[in-house]
Amino acid sequence: DAGVIQSPRHEVTEMGQEVTLRCKPISGHNSLFWYRQTMMRGLELLIYFNNNVPIDDSGMPEDRFSAKMPNASFSTLKIQPSEPRDSAVYFCASSLIIRGGSGGNEQFFGPGTRLTVL
Amino acid sequence: TQLLEQSPQFLSIQEGENLTVYCNSSSVFSSLQWYRQEPGEGPVLLVTVVTGGEVKKLKRLTFQFGDARKDSSLHITAAQTGDTGLYLCAGASNTNAGKSTFGDGTTLTVKP
Repeated sequence: DAGVIQSPRHEVTEMGQEVTLRCKPISGHNSLFWYRQTMMRGLELLIYFNNNVPIDDSGMPEDRFSAKMPNASFSTLKIQPSEPRDSAVYFCASSLIIRGGSGGNEQFFGPGTRLTVL
Repeated sequence: TQLLEQSPQFLSIQEGENLTVYCNSSSVFSSLQWYRQEPGEGPVLLVTVVTGGEVKKLKRLTFQFGDARKDSSLHITAAQTGDTGLYLCAGASNTNAGKSTFGDGTTLTVKP
């Protein structure tokens, strides 16, 4: 079974350009998370979806960031316009959240997209 | 806001040594996960603990969840160079509807 798939793996762009990151979660999972990781701030949750609906976007830095999940197998994170401080590794993770279940929120991460904004 | 503090932040040891890393919070979690992340890759789930006082073993790794479900530890016996990586703990609570809080991680380097 394929894990979480992210594309592109690397993106180098110039300040002001639009950047779109893509994620395909694990089939059957009902929750999808977007994270940003930097040395200074560690792993930060940007937004997460449950059953394709955004549940919590309080981590989205500002209006330049937007995320969509049009169906259960695809999500995008868009930055427009991009700025040098957006440079980071962006991870997508998926999970199967069972309400009332005894298990934990086990998340499965993709390989990440390394974004560099010049 | 739930916070998870991990310690130490950095740890460098020789192959064969034992080590323990800690994950502490003032909040109660319904479950806690440990992940390992290698350079250039995403975090990989190692274990989930859900019961206070629970101990789980994964080969040379021993994970413990505190009795009050506020803290956890990871003990590695006879560390190997392949254990090198960033170890992250993440806590979840039933009130957060699927959201996990991640610690800042412990960067472990095991030297040959």
